[in-house]
Amino acid sequence: AQSVSQHNHHVILSEAASLELGCNYSYGGTVNLFWYVQYPGQHLQLLLKYFSGDPLVKGIKGFEAEFIKSKFSFNLRKPSVQWSDTAEYFCAVKRNQAGTALIFGKGTTLSVSS
Amino acid sequence: DAGVTQSPTHLIKTRGQQVTLRCSPKSGHDTVSWYQQALGQGPQFIFQYYEEEERQRGNFPDRFSGHQFPNYSSELNVNALLLGDSALYLCASSLPGRSVNEQFFGPGTRLTVL
Repeated sequence: AQSVSQHNHHVILSEAASLELGCNYSYGGTVNLFWYVQYPGQHLQLLLKYFSGDPLVKGIKGFEAEFIKSKFSFNLRKPSVQWSDTAEYFCAVKRNQAGTALIFGKGTTLSVSS
Repeated sequence: DAGVTQSPTHLIKTRGQQVTLRCSPKSGHDTVSWYQQALGQGPQFIFQYYEEEERQRGNFPDRFSGHQFPNYSSELNVNALLLGDSALYLCASSLPGRSVNEQFFGPGTRLTVL
């Protein structure tokens, strides 16, 4: 079945550690890719997005993600996490030939200890 | 500038009842999408409204229906509630036009079905 897979359900890191969250999708064709974050008690907000061009995209708060078309992947990275990065992270895909719906992964909970 | 707003914040219903959830989009946005987020899952697309018509629909039964008003606000109606309908219901709005780039999410309505 076509889907968006996030490999890690729960990641626990210490402050200053590097972060990489995996995201793979199984759709062919052109896609738009997104990472959303949900901080405790807050609503979903966009971290970064990829539509076309440079496959390395930079988002807010020092996050970046790399689109690797051959691997159908869009992994999220941050070189040094902070306690305030504790949140749930969702990868989402919009298939350009299938309307405008976002297809989300199940999410990864990141816990950062100070 | 107010973002996406949703009401009510929380709602408790019993099986078989009907519920209406409301959403006001971000200022300047004319497209509204609804998502269901079950506990521990990513949001799942229910449907999207544009120009007061349902433009796209996800894999949800006909018990889920919606409406968009001339001021672009929207309602989600669920009939014959089931226990499995318990979830966080998210509304997202986006900029004018048929090409949807970024969706802005509201805080959600937490529906509990007893």
